[in-house]
Amino acid sequence: DVKVTQSSRYLVKRTGEKVFLECVQDMDHENMFWYRQDPGLGLRLIYFSYDVKMKEKGDIPEGYSVSREKKERFSLILESASTNQTSMYLCASRLGGAAGANVLTFGAGSRLTVL
Amino acid sequence: SQQGEEDPQALSIQEGENATMNCSYKTSINNLQWYRQNSGRGLVHLILIRSNEREKHSGRLRVTLDTSKKSSSLLITASRAADTASYFCATDMKTSYDKVIFGPGTSLSVIP
Repeated sequence: DVKVTQSSRYLVKRTGEKVFLECVQDMDHENMFWYRQDPGLGLRLIYFSYDVKMKEKGDIPEGYSVSREKKERFSLILESASTNQTSMYLCASRLGGAAGANVLTFGAGSRLTVL
Repeated sequence: SQQGEEDPQALSIQEGENATMNCSYKTSINNLQWYRQNSGRGLVHLILIRSNEREKHSGRLRVTLDTSKKSSSLLITASRAADTASYFCATDMKTSYDKVIFGPGTSLSVIP
């Protein structure tokens, strides 16, 4: 089975800190995604990457950046954390390629609290 | 802006009853997927229906897709307490096939 591992299950950070959320997948997937999940809003796409060193903004990229130096790793960076970035962050990956039946495999999530 | 919108936001039923959740979306899609999330966990894929398909079954799940109305429905038959979870539809957009957008989800409670 494809495994998507998020490095931290729970994090508590202070306003203004730089935060790194790491995500690693072990099945050579091309596409990787970062979502944040908030009550009543569902999952909102922050950034996605369709290949190594390639990235695209999602619907809510403000305040975030990403890095994909290796195929298996997709990092989400909060340059200066703010309280409104307190949320559950979900990483996902999928095989990618031609448009078709590619489903997402999700990590367990990282719950970030910014004080 | 969100591509998909689920309806209802919350649903409570008795064990053994059927549960129906609806999803509407805005732009053309390659496929539509349904995912399930147990409390505080990651999402798990349930079923995918392509834009040229109208209905698909998987066990107790039945998904329909009406591209003319830009809507889909997920039916869970003979529900069980273990089906209690949040259910999300996700659209694989035709304009950007790498981009997968989720709706806000339906919270299903199945009462034993």
